[in-house]
Amino acid sequence: QQPVQSPQAVILREGEDAVINCSSSKALYSVHWYRQKHGEAPVFLMILLKGGEQKGHEKISASFNEKKQQSSLYLTASQLSYSGTYFCGYGNAGNMLTFGGGTRLMVKP
Amino acid sequence: DTAVSQTPKYLVTQMGNDKSIKCEQNLGHDTMYWYKQDSKKFLKIMFSYNNKELIINETVPNRFSPKSPDKAHLNLHINSLELGDSAVYFCASSLEQGPTGELFFGEGSRLTVL
Repeated sequence: QQPVQSPQAVILREGEDAVINCSSSKALYSVHWYRQKHGEAPVFLMILLKGGEQKGHEKISASFNEKKQQSSLYLTASQLSYSGTYFCGYGNAGNMLTFGGGTRLMVKP
Repeated sequence: DTAVSQTPKYLVTQMGNDKSIKCEQNLGHDTMYWYKQDSKKFLKIMFSYNNKELIINETVPNRFSPKSPDKAHLNLHINSLELGDSAVYFCASSLEQGPTGELFFGEGSRLTVL
């Protein structure tokens, strides 16, 4: 079962902040975040591992609540370049990375 | 140099035909994947290979057959194409096997079945 992302879409003005949420009903080992621009490949943003380790992006932060099996991606002071579709991916011990349905983010000037 | 490259980028074909998509990575990674992205943008894993061995085979029809001649290549062959196979197929690779490795995606191959 794929993780559930919310909101499905969000429109921001440049400089505004946004939060994208991701939740799963299954036990997790890791959470990945990727951004995909229209017509391009998904690009890695961040991994959050069980136990608190994070690997990722300087300007974007995220949290991982292992108990609730939820993750949130925080985009602060958004830039035009942040526009795209954001995917969370949940990793389990079986080597699978299952992606959510995506959140479409549009940043306007 | 492109890290993960796929060919062809676009493929238009008739129902019932057989087609292949090739993928190569020059990152020295041991693990490679095929993902399918449908018109609603859902990214669904199809196969995972580690050092030429099949690790994951999700519920994909037998018409889809991956082949990994070496750890830098993972090709996807599709027999008897159906309308529902129309999608963008992404190849990806990761250094680490398991859910802790960053995925590097290719640019995608857009398959249209008429």
